[in-house]
Amino acid sequence: DAGVTQSPTHLIKTRGQQVTLRCSPKSGHDTVSWYQQALGQGPQFIFQYYEEEERQRGNFPDRFSGHQFPNYSSELNVNALLLGDSALYLCASRARGLTYEQYFGPGTRLTVT
Amino acid sequence: DQQVKQNSPSLSVQEGRISILNCDYTNSMFDYFLWYKKYPAEGPTFLISISSIKDKNEDGRFTVFLNKSAKHLSLHIVPSQPGDSAVYFCAASVAGNTPLVFGKGTRLSVIA
Repeated sequence: DAGVTQSPTHLIKTRGQQVTLRCSPKSGHDTVSWYQQALGQGPQFIFQYYEEEERQRGNFPDRFSGHQFPNYSSELNVNALLLGDSALYLCASRARGLTYEQYFGPGTRLTVT
Repeated sequence: DQQVKQNSPSLSVQEGRISILNCDYTNSMFDYFLWYKKYPAEGPTFLISISSIKDKNEDGRFTVFLNKSAKHLSLHIVPSQPGDSAVYFCAASVAGNTPLVFGKGTRLSVIA
């Protein structure tokens, strides 16, 4: 049973560029959430997708946007990258209505120079 | 304002002894709590959870205790093993459906 997968593993971008990160949820899961983890901090919630719509959003600017596809996979897009966007981006999935536990992927390490 | 706090950045324990990791929260609406373990270069791995209707939940070597009046929970690992060395995150949510709110983590080192 494949767990949550994310791509790419690492990414280096320049300030002002745009980036797209991808996530495939665990089999049987339909809800995907994205988190940002800065160095020395716990993960912070960015947004959650269910039924291809953004359902909840954390305190992140509109430069952060996302999408969920019919197969439940998801993308996180960040525009106009800032140095402060350098972080580990984590995708988590769960089976809505069946469990409250969220299962995380390995993350994408984004470095903005 | 940090709603979930893990006040010990690090903890060192000898192999075979008990590890106790603590977590405090301020939002009285939180009613579902989870512990995650994280190794370097990996995503957080779910360990154990507890609902506010319980005060204890066990799973093998891991037990989570919840004290609602004190807004405090703890994770006990008995016996501790070197493979338990990792960063442990406490997380909380409301009704299990809201986003997880994480603490900053506690780095556990189990010494052989």
